[in-house]
Amino acid sequence: GQSLEQPSEVTAVEGAIVQINCTYQTSGFYGLSWYQQHDGGAPTFLSYNGLDGLEETGRFSSFLSRSDSYGYLLLQELQMKDSASYFCAAPPTDSWGKLQFGAGTQVVVTP
Amino acid sequence: EAQVTQNPRYLITVTGKKLTVTCSQNMNHEYMSWYRQDPGLGLRQIYYSMNVEVTDKGDVPEGYKVSRKEKRNFPLILESPSPNQTSLYFCASRPTESSGANVLTFGAGSRLTVL
Repeated sequence: GQSLEQPSEVTAVEGAIVQINCTYQTSGFYGLSWYQQHDGGAPTFLSYNGLDGLEETGRFSSFLSRSDSYGYLLLQELQMKDSASYFCAAPPTDSWGKLQFGAGTQVVVTP
Repeated sequence: EAQVTQNPRYLITVTGKKLTVTCSQNMNHEYMSWYRQDPGLGLRQIYYSMNVEVTDKGDVPEGYKVSRKEKRNFPLILESPSPNQTSLYFCASRPTESSGANVLTFGAGSRLTVL
């Protein structure tokens, strides 16, 4: 199996930059995804890293380093609407159908 | 509109009373999956299906059954619900080709309470 670890909560002010780290305990996997979930809502896809390096999508960027077993989601120019939970997720290489999620990071944006 | 539809959205039931949570998607996705979400535990996979008539266990399959008789539908069955199955349930789907393989589309969720 594998596990994905991420911080439980991060607080930042509007306009700031937040980095959410995700470390994983596995010998390999297909890639790392990130999802956003607002309170009571469905998770929505944000970003995917299939290869090492940085992927940029507007204010959000995601990074993966397989050699360090580590990835992160970077939220820039924080807005109040970015207050949500963020999950990293990955399928283990022994089972493409399985998808495991980290426990989630609650991002609180303050004025 | 491309979507995953779950029903019911809210349900309160009693221990032992069989129930089914339906899930339907209109995107012709081969892959479908069920997750439960509990505070502090994130999303845990219950079952998944790579295609019609192909299902497999996720990390927490005990107490649940699924079937995939049609591509669009993937119902979750609780044969004899117990209070520890009180949770928020999500159905999700995605295509299986590699370019979109990790982009899950989730349903709105079904909040189940077992008394």
